[in-house]
Amino acid sequence: GAVVSQHPSWVICKSGTSVKIECRSLDFQATTMFWYRQFPKQSLMLMATSNEGSKATYEQGVEKDKFLINHASLTLSTLTVTSAHPEDSSFYICSARDGGPGTGKTNEKLFFGSGTQLSVL
Amino acid sequence: GEDVEQSLFLSVREGDSSVINCTYTDSSSTYLYWYKQEPGAGLQLLTYIFSNMDMKQDQRLTVLLNKKDKHLSLRIADTQTGDSAIYFCAEGWDTGRRALTFGSGTRLQVQP
Repeated sequence: GAVVSQHPSWVICKSGTSVKIECRSLDFQATTMFWYRQFPKQSLMLMATSNEGSKATYEQGVEKDKFLINHASLTLSTLTVTSAHPEDSSFYICSARDGGPGTGKTNEKLFFGSGTQLSVL
Repeated sequence: GEDVEQSLFLSVREGDSSVINCTYTDSSSTYLYWYKQEPGAGLQLLTYIFSNMDMKQDQRLTVLLNKKDKHLSLRIADTQTGDSAIYFCAEGWDTGRRALTFGSGTRLQVQP
């Protein structure tokens, strides 16, 4: 099946630094990728929708300047947590959509990366 | 807005069947999904069902959908200790760019 690679798996950083998380679709082109955040023992919360070649669409309450999303190619989206603080510590997961309008595939699926555990000291 | 609800915890004995339930509110959903999440890992798509289907079977997994009641269930036959994980149901559309809406997850604990 389709694979989505997310890197790094975990990162520890000092408060005030920036962290970049990469999400790659390995064997399909993803015009749309999604970024989620998960707090311990809670469900996934959608942060933003990343569209290749255009600006990301952020969910209400998510700071655009804090969580920078770039989707420069059909196989790569990045999430940069700028000036990270301890409250940004969380598990971040990306997903990539295979199929959908314009892809020629009628069966649409979402595939998820393995997640990135961010700990800000 | 859309809402997806699940019970938080289920404990079964190894070899028994597990049934995880989910209710959703968005009647326009065309796809309903079940995902499995093991500790510290991403989500694994287990199975999905189109909204015009009542049932889908995939090896040990059986998905039942009651569209009238907006109720989805996942039955795992012959549950094994390796099935211990958190199971999320999710609903979404097949067109458009909206992401999925997830339930809060059901933690399945399988007792040996």
